[in-house]
Amino acid sequence: EPEVTQTPSHQVTQMGQEVILRCVPISNHLYFYWYRQILGQKVEFLVSFYNNEISEKSEIFDDQFSVERPDGSNFTLKIRSTKLEDSAMYFCASSNTGTGGDTQYFGPGTRLTVL
Amino acid sequence: EDQVTQSPEALRLQEGESSSLNCSYTVSGLRGLFWYRQDPGKGPEFLFTLYSAGEEKEKERLKATLTKKESFLHITAPKPEDSATYLCAVQAEQFSSGSARQLTFGSGTQLTVLP
Repeated sequence: EPEVTQTPSHQVTQMGQEVILRCVPISNHLYFYWYRQILGQKVEFLVSFYNNEISEKSEIFDDQFSVERPDGSNFTLKIRSTKLEDSAMYFCASSNTGTGGDTQYFGPGTRLTVL
Repeated sequence: EDQVTQSPEALRLQEGESSSLNCSYTVSGLRGLFWYRQDPGKGPEFLFTLYSAGEEKEKERLKATLTKKESFLHITAPKPEDSATYLCAVQAEQFSSGSARQLTFGSGTQLTVLP
């Protein structure tokens, strides 16, 4: 069964450093998403991506964040200068269509720890 | 602003003791309501999508139902392996053609099934 994969599973970084989180969405999916979950809190939407551009973004997704689809299989989230409050689980998701309530399938997550 | 409220926050059941989890929502035009299961340290695992009031879906010991204001996840004769956090999420009407629409999640119900 096709699944979303994410690397690394755990990333530890120093405050102010740049990190890149990587995702390989399900191969025939066209819509991609990043969410995050701070320990003990809700899953929160960050950004959605379609046709090589950002479709929708939340207030969390400020200028420190960027997304890219560098090739036909990878989807990345970059945080330019990490802050302590960026520590969270980051989930990538993908869907076949963006509308009509189509299902978003989630990856296993990357645990980001900022020291 | 879309909102999702889940209750109870935590639920402890004896094996075989059936119960229901509630998800109340407000959304500006519902495109879909989703149920996910999340194990500790893992990504949300898709269970069901419901699109319109009156719709029901079943999978093994789980049954999801939808009204215009809430959804229920019924668990019949649960087993210890059903222990997890169950997440409800809503997707609102698309705002433009081809857009990738975010999910808004509730805080989840942490279910523990005791043997």
